[in-house]
Amino acid sequence: DTGVSQNPRHKITKRGQNVTFRCDPISEHNRLYWYRQTLGQGPEFLTYFQNEAQLEKSRLLSDRFSAERPKGSFSTLEIQRTEQGDSAMYLCASTSGVNTEAFFGQGTRLTVV
Amino acid sequence: GQQLNQSPQSMFIQEGEDVSMNCTSSSIFNTWLWYKQDPGEGPVLLIALYKAGELTSNGRLTAQFGITRKDSFLNISASIPSDVGIYFCAGQRRGGADGLTFGKGTHLIIQP
Repeated sequence: DTGVSQNPRHKITKRGQNVTFRCDPISEHNRLYWYRQTLGQGPEFLTYFQNEAQLEKSRLLSDRFSAERPKGSFSTLEIQRTEQGDSAMYLCASTSGVNTEAFFGQGTRLTVV
Repeated sequence: GQQLNQSPQSMFIQEGEDVSMNCTSSSIFNTWLWYKQDPGEGPVLLIALYKAGELTSNGRLTAQFGITRKDSFLNISASIPSDVGIYFCAGQRRGGADGLTFGKGTHLIIQP
């Protein structure tokens, strides 16, 4: 399977704990995006990488959130001191260039209890 | 964050009927995309549109990029049970650094 891969698929954590998600984009894609989706809403943009450089961050990305793409391949999204409001589906997407199709992974469903 | 205005919010139709949904925005987009999402899964790309006025088909699906670049519609002909799901429109501005802006989705329910 050469699609976008996300791990884990599901994560349940206690409030205050840190969590980390991983995204492996399509191998030849240099652009990687993270989105958050809550129930009944469309995905909302969080951050964007071109190769290893993080070039854009949404106002939704609070100080407790950090994302990395150290070698321009896979990316990680870490949430520190999780809150119940962080419960959502976290989606990763990759594209090969400007204004081209964005392909999504299956997402990581985070539940903070 | 900003979301596109997508309608209808939900549709209850009979199998075999045609479906039409649309998306509008107050700002211009350079690319329009339509996705389908099943419960617990990520969105799956259906159709991508790159040029104002463009009409593109993918099997029973047809989508158009509005001439003003502020709207798009998606039609599904002769609906079948596997068309059930949530359909999202998404727009991308020039450069794409701020990602895709999504609508809230159209929930399609098909009665056999």
